[in-house]
Amino acid sequence: DADVTQTPRNRITKTGKRIMLECSQTKGHDRMYWYRQDPGLGLRLIYYSFDVKDINKGEISDGYSVSRQAQAKFSLSLESAIPNQTALYFCATSRGEGPVGNEQFFGPGTRLTVL
Amino acid sequence: KQEVTQIPAALSVPEGENLVLNCSFTDSAIYNLQWFRQDPGKGLTSLLLIQSSQREQTSGRLNASLDKSSGRSTLYIAASQPGDSATYLCAVRRVRYSTLTFGKGTMLLVSP
Repeated sequence: DADVTQTPRNRITKTGKRIMLECSQTKGHDRMYWYRQDPGLGLRLIYYSFDVKDINKGEISDGYSVSRQAQAKFSLSLESAIPNQTALYFCATSRGEGPVGNEQFFGPGTRLTVL
Repeated sequence: KQEVTQIPAALSVPEGENLVLNCSFTDSAIYNLQWFRQDPGKGLTSLLLIQSSQREQTSGRLNASLDKSSGRSTLYIAASQPGDSATYLCAVRRVRYSTLTFGKGTMLLVSP
């Protein structure tokens, strides 16, 4: 079974709709991240959380919000989706301690299309 | 602001060749650097992580080197195989608890 799972894997929605993307992990890691990937722009960090009570904005947080419901769950919401939020979204985790504790492990991605 | 550049953007080689992928970063004060592989439409798989105090890391046919002072890392793939075809990304971390800054990747195609 995958250590980091994302649901849904694909989603097509309309402008103005509220969308939630979910991420779950069984790795027991404290740290979780949300990225988006766009052709020609690479991966960019949206939000990250170092533990259940910690939420931090990344490079491109406008138009997004997150919720860390538990150590294992981190969800990303688009309150009112717009077409330029069409992208591939990735969740990642890291343990956070020790010399390799911040090695990141990625989920399979969610392909979101906003019409 | 840290910027990470990967050259070339795309590379096509015949099976069996040894090849080098390049990654450069503008701020040499990094904590560590991580190389990933991404298959089309899939997530990222961590390949190697090099701490700033290390010069290289090896895993199977892969060898990653780090020259922090010159702001460069290379990923060496020995005896390439068609299954190595993927996009390879490097990412750097500035300090211990900071987040990663990614390059845009090198798309590798290994032909049989």
